[in-house]
Amino acid sequence: DIQLTQSPSSLSASVGDRVTITCRASQDISNNLVWLQQKPGKAPEALIYAASTLHTGVPSKFSGSGSGTDFILTISSLQPEDFATYYCQHYNTYPYTFGQGTRLETK
Amino acid sequence: EVQVVDSGGALVKPGESLRLSCAASGFNFTNAWMGWVRQAPGKGLEWVCRIKSKTDGGTTDYTAPVQGRFTISRDDSKRTVYLQMNSLKSEDTAIYYCATVLGEGWGQGTLVTVSS
Repeated sequence: DIQLTQSPSSLSASVGDRVTITCRASQDISNNLVWLQQKPGKAPEALIYAASTLHTGVPSKFSGSGSGTDFILTISSLQPEDFATYYCQHYNTYPYTFGQGTRLETK
Repeated sequence: EVQVVDSGGALVKPGESLRLSCAASGFNFTNAWMGWVRQAPGKGLEWVCRIKSKTDGGTTDYTAPVQGRFTISRDDSKRTVYLQMNSLKSEDTAIYYCATVLGEGWGQGTLVTVSS
């Protein structure tokens, strides 16, 4: 199975900050990667697919990059509603797997 | 607007069966690859199974812990995906989400609790 490793596991930041989260795959997954946001007690919501394409309605402050094994999620100008847990997930070959998550907390 | 509504979760005893349903709208369901993701209490996400679109062969795949016990199916005329879960175990306890593979639609989740 392809393993996804996210870093950092947790991150403290302030409103207005710009943050980056990385996701490394154990083998080449091309650009077959989704980024998701999950708030406590809620279902995940996908932000980005194909590593860098925003889903409809997702603010442009979210951006994704990367291909192959290394990927980055960038969130610019953090707002209170952005503090959540973020996951990467590949869909290159089944079984699809998720990273362990990055908890973004307010400093 | 994309909508995915999953349902059917319940409290069941080990060894019993349960069927989850997922009704979707607002996107091209016929061409969508669909699946079920679960999240055990306080844990991360696990992709349980996936079904391709019929035009892509309708192939199903399962994660190892549920292989042979769970069956995913779809009815494109009803825009619905099903998850038949047999021989349930305590470790299957989780919130189950129906989702598109590319993520444009996620259900709100339905809780399955397996306990004697």
